Order: sequence, then structure tokens, then C-alpha cells
Amino acid sequence: EVQLVESGGGLVQPGGSLRLSCAASGFTLRNNWMHWVRQAPGMGLVWVSRIKNDGENIDYADSVKGRFTISTDNANNMLYLQMNSLRVEDTAVYYCVTGAGPWGQGTLVTVSS
Amino acid sequence: DIVMTQSPLSLSVTPGQPASISCRSSQSLLTSDGKTYFYWYLQKPGQPPQLLIYDVSSRLSGVPDRFSGSGSGTDFTLKISRVEAEDVGVYYCMQAIQLPLTFGPGTKVDIE
Repeated sequence: EVQLVESGGGLVQPGGSLRLSCAASGFTLRNNWMHWVRQAPGMGLVWVSRIKNDGENIDYADSVKGRFTISTDNANNMLYLQMNSLRVEDTAVYYCVTGAGPWGQGTLVTVSS
Repeated sequence: DIVMTQSPLSLSVTPGQPASISCRSSQSLLTSDGKTYFYWYLQKPGQPPQLLIYDVSSRLSGVPDRFSGSGSGTDFTLKISRVEAEDVGVYYCMQAIQLPLTFGPGTKVDIE
């Protein structure tokens, strides 16, 4: 059974950093597109980033380019999102997503002073 | 960026009655290989989104057959033949032909 479990969210001040993790089970990260999608409170879904094949293919939304870094640890079937220079507008629930698989419950990131 | 628009943005339906949601993209989602990367998601209250329909009209395994997707190019429709109470939530369309992947604003469906 495919399962994704996100962690690492929390409260951080503007300009701070957080590292989100996503533990995948039931399938192998390698050779699959893995995405981060976020949802601000009460708002819609926004794609953030994607990665495939140990970083051979990486893309970012313009709003996070240069601040966020996506990566994988295929040996441990983990997906990460390193978030630096966080802004208030980055406040959201962050989901890791793969293809048609079920989404995780997400992890809440709150950027506030 | 490809802009996805949905209508209506909210829908109140009587159980057992049909419902229809439209989604329009700002450019064609048909690729040169003949595929159309268009999806429908449902986010039930308090839950993460779940994929219902992929490639315009293919139902994910386990999705009830009362859900059907259709359309081509820039215009797509999700139909629920007979709405049930468990169908309440926000429905999102999404395109994956071009980065950034973009979602529609969502259509909130509730029961009358």
C-alpha cells in the first residue's frame, strides 16, 4: 500500500528555515516524479516543486526558486524540501505527492513573527 | 502559466440528483503524443485531496462509477450521476502539460 507521511512543519519567523521530510512506503521513489504541493489556510492548491531520478530532473515554482531545495534519499525512500528565507506568504500545509498515489496528511508551516 | 478556471465555484445538490462541474484551461492540454494531462481531485472536509479522474476520463481504481470525466482541448467536465452525501467537498481540476502545474480555484459542493 502506497503511503506518504510528511513531517518537519512548525512555526518559524520570517527569514528562517525549515526542512520538510516525506517518508514514502509501498513504492520506490526512484523513477517516480515526486512533488510538493502547498495549500494556504482556506485557499486552493499550489504546486511548489518536483524531482525525479536522484535529482536529474528538478523544477520549482517561480515563487520559491532560489529559496527552496528539493531532494531525495532513495536509499531510505525519503523526499525533502529545504525551505530558506521563509516569508509570511509561505504559510501553508505542505503535501508530498506522487502520481496517482494517495496524498499524505500534510505538514503545516507557519511563518510569523 | 496555464490558467485553470472552474464553474460554478459553489454547488448545492440534492442527494440522488446529478451534478456537473466545468473546467477551462487558458491553452490546449493536448500534447503532440495525443495525450491530455488533465486531472480531477476531490478534497473532502478535513482531508487531503484525492485523485478521482486522470487523463480526462480515466477513473482511479476504487472511484465510484457515478463519477465521469469528459472533454478535450481546453474544456472539461466532471459529472456526478447521482450525488451522495459522501461526495461533499471541494473539487479541483489540474493540468500537467506545462510547468508550473496549475490547479483550478476549486468548486465547493455541498448537500441541500
